Amino acid sequence: QKEVEQNSGPLSVPEGAIASLNCTYSDRGSQSFFWYRQYSGKSPELIMFIYSNGDKEDGRFTAQLNKASQYVSLLIRDSQPSDSATYLCASDSNDYKLSFGAGTTVTVRA
Amino acid sequence: DTGVSQNPRHKITKRGQNVTFRCDPISEHNRLYWYRQTLGQGPEFLTYFQNEAQLEKSRLLSDRFSAERPKGSFSTLEIQRTEQGDSAMYLCATEQGEDTQYFGPGTRLTVL
Repeated sequence: QKEVEQNSGPLSVPEGAIASLNCTYSDRGSQSFFWYRQYSGKSPELIMFIYSNGDKEDGRFTAQLNKASQYVSLLIRDSQPSDSATYLCASDSNDYKLSFGAGTTVTVRA
Repeated sequence: DTGVSQNPRHKITKRGQNVTFRCDPISEHNRLYWYRQTLGQGPEFLTYFQNEAQLEKSRLLSDRFSAERPKGSFSTLEIQRTEQGDSAMYLCATEQGEDTQYFGPGTRLTVL
């Protein structure tokens, strides 16, 4: 079992809709969780990080963390064509290195 | 642009050749990480440095791979006797205490 699992996608949403991305992790010792966006052929770009249970909002992005369920999610509101990318979920395991999921590819239809 | 730079951006080599990649971190960042990413997968951890000390190496890092970070500044990753399975994007990330890693643009390696 991989440490971080993401729904495989691809996920296609119409422009202006909400895109919902899910991630589960296996290591209960993980403290911090990250969402990265990766455009094709580019390197990952940090969007958000979350440490505490609950919601964290940053502009059109909301990250949600439920440590009891070992579940992290990312909501993208008012999706734009420029949001079309692969979204990577990552966790740390108290030893700094990040474990990544395989990513979910999102396509926003104009 | 995160401020992390990597060179070269692309490298094409023949099987059996040696290659070396360089990463220049954000100047005040004392932790530096190397990851490898293949198509359709997330980045996989290879190794990391706290200043000049290499603190952890993944099982993925065979004896053909070596990394250095002299004087705790830039870092190099060398692959000896390259194999076709080494073809991937090699990513460098740096961090300064807040547990948030910022990636460089990566070096895409193609082994023919």
